[in-house]
Amino acid sequence: DAGVIQSPRHEVTEMGQEVTLRCKPISGHNSLFWYRQTMMRGLELLIYFNNNVPIDDSGMPEDRFSAKMPNASFSTLKIQPSEPRDSAVYFCASSPGQGSEKLFFGSGTQLSVL
Amino acid sequence: AQKVTQAQTEISVVEKEDVTLDCVYETRDTTYYLFWYKQPPSGELVFLIRRNSFDEQNEISGRYSWNFQKSTSSFNFTITASQVVDSAVYFCALSEAGYALNFGKGTSLLVTP
Repeated sequence: DAGVIQSPRHEVTEMGQEVTLRCKPISGHNSLFWYRQTMMRGLELLIYFNNNVPIDDSGMPEDRFSAKMPNASFSTLKIQPSEPRDSAVYFCASSPGQGSEKLFFGSGTQLSVL
Repeated sequence: AQKVTQAQTEISVVEKEDVTLDCVYETRDTTYYLFWYKQPPSGELVFLIRRNSFDEQNEISGRYSWNFQKSTSSFNFTITASQVVDSAVYFCALSEAGYALNFGKGTSLLVTP
């Protein structure tokens, strides 16, 4: 079975550019999560969708960040404009139920903003 | 506020030693879930265990064991007879009912031959 699929694996961009990260959750999973990992702040929840509806976006840093889930099999995380401090590994995860279930993580996107 | 505290930032042990990773959590909910994940050098996050707040039984899986104590709000993880392949960052996480996982900062474990 395919796991959570993220693309791209690596992204290098220049400050000010728009960045779009993509995620395909495991088929049949109802919940999707975006996490960001940095050395300083560890793993932070950015946003959590359940049945394609955002449930908790309190972790989205600022208006430069936006996330969508147009259908059950696809989600995007967009940063516009990007800044060097956005450099991090961005993980997408899905789970079969609501929060509190085991999360299945993708391989992550390593983002570098120069 | 940080709800999960992993006080040990880095631990280094020699192969075959036992090692315990500490996790202390904070919640006012009576229903919650605790997790451990492993992140090896390759970077992926690997699920190890999920435990609900009503089940305080300790669990053993091979060389891994977990000690859940509600009285001290702790969910500690022990690796017996550590191996080099155990070198990784280990994360403890808390989920209050229905909410997403809140991770601790992680403990980096280095096992040397």
